[in-house]
Amino acid sequence: DAGVTQSPTHLIKTRGQHVTLRCSPISGHKSVSWYQQVLGQGPQFIFQYYEKEERGRGNFPDRFSARQFPNYSSELNVNALLLGDSALYLCASSLDGRPYQPQHFGDGTRLSIL
Amino acid sequence: DAKTTQPPSMDCAEGRAANLPCNHSTISGNEYVYWYRQIHSQGPQYIIHGLKNNETNEMASLIITEDRKSSTLILPHATLRDTAVYYCIVRVAQNRDDKIIFGKGTRLHILP
Repeated sequence: DAGVTQSPTHLIKTRGQHVTLRCSPISGHKSVSWYQQVLGQGPQFIFQYYEKEERGRGNFPDRFSARQFPNYSSELNVNALLLGDSALYLCASSLDGRPYQPQHFGDGTRLSIL
Repeated sequence: DAKTTQPPSMDCAEGRAANLPCNHSTISGNEYVYWYRQIHSQGPQYIIHGLKNNETNEMASLIITEDRKSSTLILPHATLRDTAVYYCIVRVAQNRDDKIIFGKGTRLHILP
């Protein structure tokens, strides 16, 4: 069975541009979460969505937004890119986002800002 | 902040059991202990989780102390492919969200 898939795998942008990252959850999973991982640190929570509704938001500026589609796939959008947005962006899916169910991660999109 | 404390690094000889400790002294009664690992350039991989009882799957065993204030992840026969950063996590469910708060983890080196 396919795991969590993310696209693109790598992306290079310049400051001020915007970016859209995509995530397809494991089949049957209805909850998607996004994390940012900068070099040398653990992943940091950005958003969680369940049934197309935002369930949680981490400490990130309004330049970060996301949405979930009826097929449970998700997009993460980042506007007005800054150098500090360079990171690995990870998507994780779970059945319904409850803490007794594992979140399964994709291999991420590596975003580089020049 | 993460609710767990782990040693920053550990070494283990190939073929031996790797025992990774984790302290979570402020864990609440309904919070689960999860272990993930992250191999370089990949996303975190789920290993195992538990609430109160010890758990075992094809990858590892999880031993949780009776007071639930600490746990140990056991990789029974470590291989070079087990070299990774291992994260011990307490799943916090506040309100409706289910964010995972990652700490710094333990960097495990498997030595040939």
